[in-house]
Amino acid sequence: SQQGEEDPQALSIQEGENATMNCSYKTSINNLQWYRQNSGRGLVHLILIRSNEREKHSGRLRVTLDTSKKSSSLLITASRAADTASYFCATYNSGGGADGLTFGKGTHLIIQP
Amino acid sequence: AAGVIQSPRHLIKEKRETATLKCYPIPRHDTVYWYQQGPGQDPQFLISFYEKMQSDKGSIPDRFSAQQFSDYHSELNMSSLELGDSALYFCASSAGAARLGANVLTFGAGSRLTVL
Repeated sequence: SQQGEEDPQALSIQEGENATMNCSYKTSINNLQWYRQNSGRGLVHLILIRSNEREKHSGRLRVTLDTSKKSSSLLITASRAADTASYFCATYNSGGGADGLTFGKGTHLIIQP
Repeated sequence: AAGVIQSPRHLIKEKRETATLKCYPIPRHDTVYWYQQGPGQDPQFLISFYEKMQSDKGSIPDRFSAQQFSDYHSELNMSSLELGDSALYFCASSAGAARLGANVLTFGAGSRLTVL
């Protein structure tokens, strides 16, 4: 089954800096989504990018998708302490695969105040 | 706005016992998904239901079963619990079967199961 892999697994930066997280996947996709999870809490949807899109913005978030490299990146600009969380990319397979999103391993982001 | 409601939030069981988790999706969401997340792990898809029928199956053990009821709430039943079943169990819901479109999942806060 297809799986996303996040890179890096952990990232610690100073407040105000930008944070970039990468995700790679293995099979064709319909879309790729990014979710955020605070420790021990539920996942919250951040942004969705379709397979025919290359870049998408939402507030301080910028997502890119390169289907030729099967990779995506999530950029959080002007980070805040409240951005501390784990970030997961997730995909649906195209071609009628599983209903469920397949999540990657996640990047644990720590914003130092 | 109403969110996905899961109960119980915490559950402690002994090995070989059974446990039932409940999920109430967002009103008018007809699709429910169950995920299992072990400590430090990514969420793993277990099973999904669309319009009260099982839609897809992931890595759900044979000891587990689930169903979606007429009011669209879902229950995950876990029997012969093992230590390795200790995890966070998330329910999510969406409007429409995921495979039919670019659906965003709304997750509940999760039920933390501890097996002793």
